[in-house]
Amino acid sequence: DQQVKQNSPSLSVQEGRISILNCDYTNSMFDYFLWYKKYPAEGPTFLISISSIKDKNEDGRFTVFLNKSAKHLSLHIVPSQPGDSAVYFCAAGLSGSARQLTFGSGTQLTVLP
Amino acid sequence: DAGVIQSPRHEVTEMGQEVTLRCKPISGHNSLFWYRQTMMRGLELLIYFNNNVPIDDSGMPEDRFSAKMPNASFSTLKIQPSEPRDSAVYFCASSPHQVVFEQYFGPGTRLTVT
Repeated sequence: DQQVKQNSPSLSVQEGRISILNCDYTNSMFDYFLWYKKYPAEGPTFLISISSIKDKNEDGRFTVFLNKSAKHLSLHIVPSQPGDSAVYFCAAGLSGSARQLTFGSGTQLTVLP
Repeated sequence: DAGVIQSPRHEVTEMGQEVTLRCKPISGHNSLFWYRQTMMRGLELLIYFNNNVPIDDSGMPEDRFSAKMPNASFSTLKIQPSEPRDSAVYFCASSPHQVVFEQYFGPGTRLTVT
């Protein structure tokens, strides 16, 4: 039972355009969400996060949107650059005594020059 | 400042052999996580330590898997005996303290069991 789902295994976007990566979750108790980026032969690296008390968080070219009623979050990258080509994982966590994360299966983003 | 260090980076072994994966977390981090990445299941949490104590090992697939953290700077994940279905990339991650969600990942160990 996947609690965090990334339904698009891959996405191709032209350089300079917007990339939108989507993520859905089923557990309404999740209250913290993160996006990680992963290049081949490397570990995932933290990109951006959002708490459930917000609906948007922005960091440079990266913006994460959270829609709690739809249990949906998205990552917008604008403008997209070839160096953004990587696998993007969304993750969700529960506040409390532990800080475990549940990850989605990832979306391979390819930015075409 | 060194990140999370994992060794070996690649391991090829035969079915039935014991495999030990090693992790050195970032200095000062007191939470450590072991993950497995496969095509079918994505990134799965196997076990989580806080202050060297295992907190949740519900993700460990079966008794063939065991993990230890004898001190704050070292952890091992052992598979004995190994099976071909254990082939995956195993990641170790650490986090500064228990109130922070952000985790810092090592480069992973690619395990192939033939």
